[in-house]
Amino acid sequence: AQTVTQSQPEMSVQEAETVTLSCTYDTSESDYYLFWYKQPPSRQMILVIRQEAYKQQNATENRFSVNFQKAAKSFSLKISDSQLGDAAMYFCAYRSPNGAQKLVFGQGTRLTINP
Amino acid sequence: SAVISQKPSRDICQRGTSLTIQCQVDSQVTMMFWYRQQPGQSLTLIATANQGSEATYESGFVIDKFPISRPNLTFSTLTVSNMSPEDSSIYLCSVRQVSGNTIYFGEGSWLTVV
Repeated sequence: AQTVTQSQPEMSVQEAETVTLSCTYDTSESDYYLFWYKQPPSRQMILVIRQEAYKQQNATENRFSVNFQKAAKSFSLKISDSQLGDAAMYFCAYRSPNGAQKLVFGQGTRLTINP
Repeated sequence: SAVISQKPSRDICQRGTSLTIQCQVDSQVTMMFWYRQQPGQSLTLIATANQGSEATYESGFVIDKFPISRPNLTFSTLTVSNMSPEDSSIYLCSVRQVSGNTIYFGEGSWLTVV
């Protein structure tokens, strides 16, 4: 079974600075999808960024980018120019293209933005 | 992305009662899922809601406790039966659209059992 590990329970960063959240995963599949979701205090899960394993190029969405290292099974999220609205829980998730196609989540990282 | 509406958004329930949560999507979707998020925890999949047939439950979750319906491609319900304080959680509906590989979430239903 696939597992996802986020080793940083909490992170903090100064407003306008850059922060990187770590995520590693374990799988025997060669094709899969990886996601970062953000959960603000409103509790809704918001998709931040998505990466397909077959793509070598790292995904980018405005201030958010990933460092996808397939061989190392690592999928970190970089947030540039951090804003107060970025404060939230961040969850890394894995999805197989086969079978149930459910999301497997990491434990989450709570990100605090210091003004 | 799909627009997903969940009701209720929040409720306080008495021990021993049951509550049904509704999930409505604005477009047809292939797969619908129900997740539970206990306080301070990550998300755990309860079951995959299958249209017109019994849901597929994950280990540790049973139909008697969490009956699920999915009568069509855009609607599903999750019932939390015979609630105890341990059932106090956020319950989230999520969907995968007909096209695309992303899974989207509803706003969640925050249940407190007293």
